[in-house]
Amino acid sequence: AQSVTQLGSHVSVSEGALVLLRCNYSSSVPPYLFWYVQYPNQGLQLLLKYTSAATLVKGINGFEAEFKKSETSFHLTKPSAHMSDAAEYFCAASNSGNTPLVFGKGTRLSVIA
Amino acid sequence: DTEVTQTPKHLVMGMTNKKSLKCEQHMGHRAMYWYKQKAKKPPELMFVYSYEKLSINESVPSRFSPECPNSSLLNLHLHALQPEDSALYLCASSPRGSGRAKDEQFFGPGTRLTVL
Repeated sequence: AQSVTQLGSHVSVSEGALVLLRCNYSSSVPPYLFWYVQYPNQGLQLLLKYTSAATLVKGINGFEAEFKKSETSFHLTKPSAHMSDAAEYFCAASNSGNTPLVFGKGTRLSVIA
Repeated sequence: DTEVTQTPKHLVMGMTNKKSLKCEQHMGHRAMYWYKQKAKKPPELMFVYSYEKLSINESVPSRFSPECPNSSLLNLHLHALQPEDSALYLCASSPRGSGRAKDEQFFGPGTRLTVL
């Protein structure tokens, strides 16, 4: 069964610093991959998704992620953190067919002024 | 209209009450989902409706009863809940049936449920 691992339950960066949130998937067949952001007391919002087209995917709010099959990874990056980026980030994967979306455990991003 | 709406925003209920959560989308999406999310945890899938038919029930207790009256509306009926059912309940939708793995899900803001 598919599983998603997010390394680091909490990441703290300074404002203006690089943001790197890690995500690894388990399946031998590359799944479709998603990054969602959740602000406090809100629902999840899609940042970006990988659907087997370009391996470098650009999303909203200056975020991007690179799919690396050899590393089974889909890490999320942003060159310069902003205070408004502080939130919970979830990586998720789905395979073909009627299988549920599998979420990682989430990474809480804190941005320090 | 490009959003999923959920009502109420907050709900407090006793263990003997009956209440319902409502979710609505007008994007023409054909799959709708209920998730339960506890604090500091990822969402846990409860139910999936595909083309208004229940396609996935993740072994949810019968005190939760989903209903999909039409393609735009999804309800979750609650009865005899337990305090451990207190959580954020999220609704989501996706454009095509639930078998379309590359479709992203659009989430509502959630209903914060407290069971006393």
